[in-house]
Amino acid sequence: QVQLVESGGGVVQPGRSLRLSCAASGFTFSDSAMHWVRQAPGKGLEWVAVISHDGTNKYYGDSVKGRFTISRDKPKNTVYLQMNNLRTEDTAVYYCARSGSGSYYFDYWGQGTLVTVSS
Amino acid sequence: AIQLTQSPSSLSASVGDRVTVTCRASEGIYSALAWYQQKPGQAPKLLIYDASNLESGVPSRFSGSGSGTDFSLTISSLQPEDFASYYCQQFKSYPLTFGGGTKVEIK
Repeated sequence: QVQLVESGGGVVQPGRSLRLSCAASGFTFSDSAMHWVRQAPGKGLEWVAVISHDGTNKYYGDSVKGRFTISRDKPKNTVYLQMNNLRTEDTAVYYCARSGSGSYYFDYWGQGTLVTVSS
Repeated sequence: AIQLTQSPSSLSASVGDRVTVTCRASEGIYSALAWYQQKPGQAPKLLIYDASNLESGVPSRFSGSGSGTDFSLTISSLQPEDFASYYCQQFKSYPLTFGGGTKVEIK
């Protein structure tokens, strides 16, 4: 069965960096675009970034552009989110999600990892 | 960016009620819309894609309709496990965007 397991969350000071990981299994990783979606406490969902199935195309939400970088490691079946220059407003649960081949909605989600940006 | 406006933001309903949530896009998005259900402490779950296609395993009491700018999610007979938050999402263009959500509560 499809599994997406996020890790790397924690408490970090403003201006510092953090890298999230999402380990994927149960499907052909190289066929799927992978996304990060976040949810601030008590708020709605916000799409953060996507990386295409082959890693050649990447897109970002306006609020993280220039600070966050998405990448993927095919042999490890893992997608990453490098978050630099973190702000208090980046505090959220970060979900890894998959898009099936040719689609741009999210058919599988991980359980999320909490990032808290606080001094 | 394409804005999605969901209404209502919350509603109270009883078991067995028919419930409809609407989602309006700031520009035409064809049928590039999905609906998700999220329960407290859980990840979202895909219910509907391409505006009206039911995801495998989702009960048939859920249905979606619409195209262009106006969309709706209907639960034909609300069940206890359906009390949750619901979000629409457009995938016509990047950045992908979500509606603000609708919380369905027990009356």
